[in-house]
Amino acid sequence: LAKTTQPISMDSYEGQEVNITCSHNNIATNDYITWYQQFPSQGPRFIIQGYKTKVTNEVASLFIPADRKSSTLSLPRVSLSDTAVYYCLVGDWNTDKLIFGTGTRLQVFP
Amino acid sequence: GAVVSQHPSRVICKSGTSVKIECRSLDFQATTMFWYRQFPKQSLMLMATSNEGSKATYEQGVEKDKFLINHASLTLSTLTVTSAHPEDSSFYICSATVLSGGGGNEQFFGPGTRLTVL
Repeated sequence: LAKTTQPISMDSYEGQEVNITCSHNNIATNDYITWYQQFPSQGPRFIIQGYKTKVTNEVASLFIPADRKSSTLSLPRVSLSDTAVYYCLVGDWNTDKLIFGTGTRLQVFP
Repeated sequence: GAVVSQHPSRVICKSGTSVKIECRSLDFQATTMFWYRQFPKQSLMLMATSNEGSKATYEQGVEKDKFLINHASLTLSTLTVTSAHPEDSSFYICSATVLSGGGGNEQFFGPGTRLTVL
């Protein structure tokens, strides 16, 4: 399974756009990219998923370049409630197995 | 989205006892469920893949006789921590996959179970 590398932590202020980039140099053809959000003492919550190019939903956008060796989660205007840990995962299309990396701890300040 | 529940949400037990944690998919059928463990300030660690009607597949370093997994139906998987010890105290999380509209599979996580072994 492809490993992922992302910054350990990031700080931002309310109303700003936050971009978290994840590296997955060994991503395979069958792998898709998924981002999750986790609050303390809760299970991870699905944010967005993509395979290539750009995906957008009501909460975030996911940018994936043509070589798919990285991806960027974009949160348009963060609020205090977006303070959480964000995990980038690369999952096999066939097995659904996900290996969590360190995640990025996002702290949003007022 | 699909809902995955866990029971209990919190359990405290004495050392040497066994604890069973249930994971249910409430509004969908899940042929595959996953079990994770998470220690404070750390990431989730995949323990095993639970397959309905067959034996679970454990990750390297996870003792199958210590962590018994049973996937008896398409909506229920159980994790039993046998002869629990304080070092087994952790946050246990299950997940199940649903086929998403985009072609991949979306994995939904339960709320987690906090196990404390005294």
